[in-house]
Amino acid sequence: GDSVTQMEGPVTLSEEAFLTINCTYTATGYPSLFWYVQYPGEGLQLLLKATKADDKGSNKGFEATYRKETTSFHLEKGSVQVSDSAVYFCALGPGGTSYGKLTFGQGTILTVHP
Amino acid sequence: DAEITQSPRHKITETGRQVTLACHQTWNHNNMFWYRQDLGHGLRLIHYSYGVQDTNKGEVSDGYSVSRSNTEDLPLTLESAASSQTSVYFCASSNGQLMNTEAFFGQGTRLTVV
Repeated sequence: GDSVTQMEGPVTLSEEAFLTINCTYTATGYPSLFWYVQYPGEGLQLLLKATKADDKGSNKGFEATYRKETTSFHLEKGSVQVSDSAVYFCALGPGGTSYGKLTFGQGTILTVHP
Repeated sequence: DAEITQSPRHKITETGRQVTLACHQTWNHNNMFWYRQDLGHGLRLIHYSYGVQDTNKGEVSDGYSVSRSNTEDLPLTLESAASSQTSVYFCASSNGQLMNTEAFFGQGTRLTVV
């Protein structure tokens, strides 16, 4: 079945550091890929998405590129801020009749210090 | 503004009791989902619905049930609560049948079974 693997956390960075959170997936067909973010005490919210190979999703300075050849969707940000401290989830959305059902990675806790 | 709300936000119950968690959305979305969030597992799908009177089992459905009598609500019932069901529960909704459709999440319900 479908699965998503994220890099082990937690990740601790200083403000303005470069961020990479690795995400790889296993899926049949051609899924959509998502990054969701969960701030403390809140539900998940969509950060960015990509729907086909070589698509780049971007939002709030974060970027991720859908790499079919390496089955990856790594999240990057050039300069993190304290306000980026949160839990980040990579997720896969299958196509066909399974629309809307997301498969999540285990989540990566990011802490950014001033 | 349209939203998705869960209640209660926190619940402590005893082993063997029946518990119902509420989820209400005002977006008029057809698709609704229940996930549980556990450390090291990310979010896992419990049940989902694609419309009124439609319900389907997810990855971890044993011990849970849902019903969909209207568009707005998808209550999750734990038939006989077990300690293994201590978790944070998230409800989500989305619209349409596209695999890249964004899901909107509630703030979560933290359930403790003692």
